Amino acid sequence: GAVVSQHPSRVICKSGTSVKIECRSLDFQATTMFWYRQFPKQSLMLMATSNEGSKATYEQGVEKDKFLINHASLTLSTLTVTSAHPEDSSFYICSAIPGLTRSVEQFFGPGTRLTVL
Amino acid sequence: EDQVTQSPEALRLQEGESSSLNCSYTVSGLRGLFWYRQDPGKGPEFLFTLYSAGEEKEKERLKATLTKKESFLHITAPKPEDSATYLCAVQANNYGQNFVFGPGTRLSVLP
Repeated sequence: GAVVSQHPSRVICKSGTSVKIECRSLDFQATTMFWYRQFPKQSLMLMATSNEGSKATYEQGVEKDKFLINHASLTLSTLTVTSAHPEDSSFYICSAIPGLTRSVEQFFGPGTRLTVL
Repeated sequence: EDQVTQSPEALRLQEGESSSLNCSYTVSGLRGLFWYRQDPGKGPEFLFTLYSAGEEKEKERLKATLTKKESFLHITAPKPEDSATYLCAVQANNYGQNFVFGPGTRLSVLP
């Protein structure tokens, strides 16, 4: 149980284009999902908290107009990197908390490697 | 300021050589401390949740313990497949459901 998927696993795009990453909870409903960014050999940096049916909460220093988050259902959140640039190249990971239990653990997706040329 | 630190940064063990990883934290009102394992190019895999000082959890060769200031992840007789980065994270009262992650310990177990 508590499986989270991400799609795509890898994406390469040209500078200036937009890229959408999907995060799905496969066997549970998640009222809250998180988006993280991870640079090589570094830990996870929280970008934003995504709540179903409401606007995402962004961490300080994260541009909300550049990283668009939509949590349209209890099983799907999307992160769109708009007008991507090479410095946006990174490993993006989502996580979800099962919403109908008292669980507090976050369960993570497998990550998406974004490379912007 | 809330902080989570981990030591050592990297650890190399021979197969069968037991050791411990440390996670030290300073947060206001700990709600939970979490251990994850992360393999290169993959998302973190949940291992344990600890809620209160004195609590212990075990899974195969891993045992996690918690005090008021730190947590240890003990690895008994490790195997090469235990090689990974081990992350600890804390959830505090003033962060809601957010986690604060430590920098991780990169463990290499040599055959």
